Amino acid sequence: ETGVTQTPRHLVMGMTNKKSLKCEQHLGHNAMYWYKQSAKKPLELMFVYSLEERVENNSVPSRFSPECPNSSHLFLHLHTLQPEDSALYLCASSQDTGTGGFFFGQGTRLTVV
Amino acid sequence: AQSVAQPEDQVNVAEGNPLTVKCTYSVSGNPYLFWYVQYPNRGLQFLLKYITGDNLVKGSYGFEAEFNKSQTSFHLKKPSALVSDSALYFCAVRDEENFNKFYFGSGTKLNVKP
Repeated sequence: ETGVTQTPRHLVMGMTNKKSLKCEQHLGHNAMYWYKQSAKKPLELMFVYSLEERVENNSVPSRFSPECPNSSHLFLHLHTLQPEDSALYLCASSQDTGTGGFFFGQGTRLTVV
Repeated sequence: AQSVAQPEDQVNVAEGNPLTVKCTYSVSGNPYLFWYVQYPNRGLQFLLKYITGDNLVKGSYGFEAEFNKSQTSFHLKKPSALVSDSALYFCAVRDEENFNKFYFGSGTKLNVKP
């Protein structure tokens, strides 16, 4: 266990559904991230929250909506997704000191049908 | 611009042989370099990092990486590969000016055959 927990592990949703992914970290870190991992593509940074403020979203489509209510929890709200959004969504956390690495959750495997 | 390149999509090696997974980077300041491993259906796990000091960094599961400033490389190595090392390996660099930015390579799939 890395100290970063994601739920659910697997999710199948229709294009008209609304669902949320949850991430929780118990490491005392002050930054949290959402990454998208698609087959044969590099990891794509979607959102960064540092000290609960969103600092970068990299032009992610508005059908993805992040929420960070406190430094331990991060959500990714999903609505009207497309089949190409099917991927592994990874949450990570870090301490914003520069020398530390990331700690990743196990990911949520999302399938949009 | 900061970037990381992993030139090999896949590396095949026989069990017991040494392995190398290549990584090169481009940063404007001092690099903070990392290796991560991803086993099937799991998230990424931290293996090792280079911040400063000795160019040879030792990490988890017997892996090590060599930082080469002149070649801007940070190749991952292991003297004797195990079948259980088969996984996806990612190299990453952290931006010294913006600590919230990690740049990941595209990943290299390591296959270790018995």
